[in-house]
Amino acid sequence: GQNIDQPTEMTATEGAIVQINCTYQTSGFNGLFWYQQHAGEAPTFLSYNVLDGLEEKGRFSSFLSRSKGYSYLLLKELQMKDSASYLCAVRVGNTPLVFGKGTRLSVIA
Amino acid sequence: DAMVIQNPRYQVTQFGKPVTLSCSQTLNHNVMYWYQQKSSQAPKLLFHYYDKDFNNEADTPDNFQSRRPNTSFCFLDIRSPGLGDAAMYLCATSTIASPQETQYFGPGTRLLVL
Repeated sequence: GQNIDQPTEMTATEGAIVQINCTYQTSGFNGLFWYQQHAGEAPTFLSYNVLDGLEEKGRFSSFLSRSKGYSYLLLKELQMKDSASYLCAVRVGNTPLVFGKGTRLSVIA
Repeated sequence: DAMVIQNPRYQVTQFGKPVTLSCSQTLNHNVMYWYQQKSSQAPKLLFHYYDKDFNNEADTPDNFQSRRPNTSFCFLDIRSPGLGDAAMYLCATSTIASPQETQYFGPGTRLLVL
């Protein structure tokens, strides 16, 4: 089976930078996704990594180390609207995504 | 433009009374998924279709059934809802063209069981 771990909650200040970590144990790894989910809404796609390294998209960046089974999502210049849950999800082969429990981020003034 | 549509957004049912949740998509994706998500938990895959090929997760209760009459529509039937089935039900779609294809989620149906 797959095991995906993320911190349950984090708090950060508006304008700051926050890093949300995700570790996974799986066989047949074929990519890692990050999703944002606001309360009561559907997850929306943020990023995808399959090779080691950093992928940058505006204020959001995602990093992957396959050898360590580790990823992080970096959010810069935090805004109040970034308060949401951030879900790490792993693809094994071509199967459906397996999600972590998510990290609830609260951005405070 | 809505791409994955779920109806209704909120559904209230009585304990033991069958309920059907619906999902439609305008993306022409050949894979459709149903996830159950309870508060502060990960979305849990119930089943998925590759075209008409149905795939049931081993731990999905028998109480949950699904139908996909055509590419665009997929239904989740809960035959006898229990209090523990109250959750958000998320429908998602994807292509199987390549592993990096993301899954597109609908807005979800929040089910309340009285």
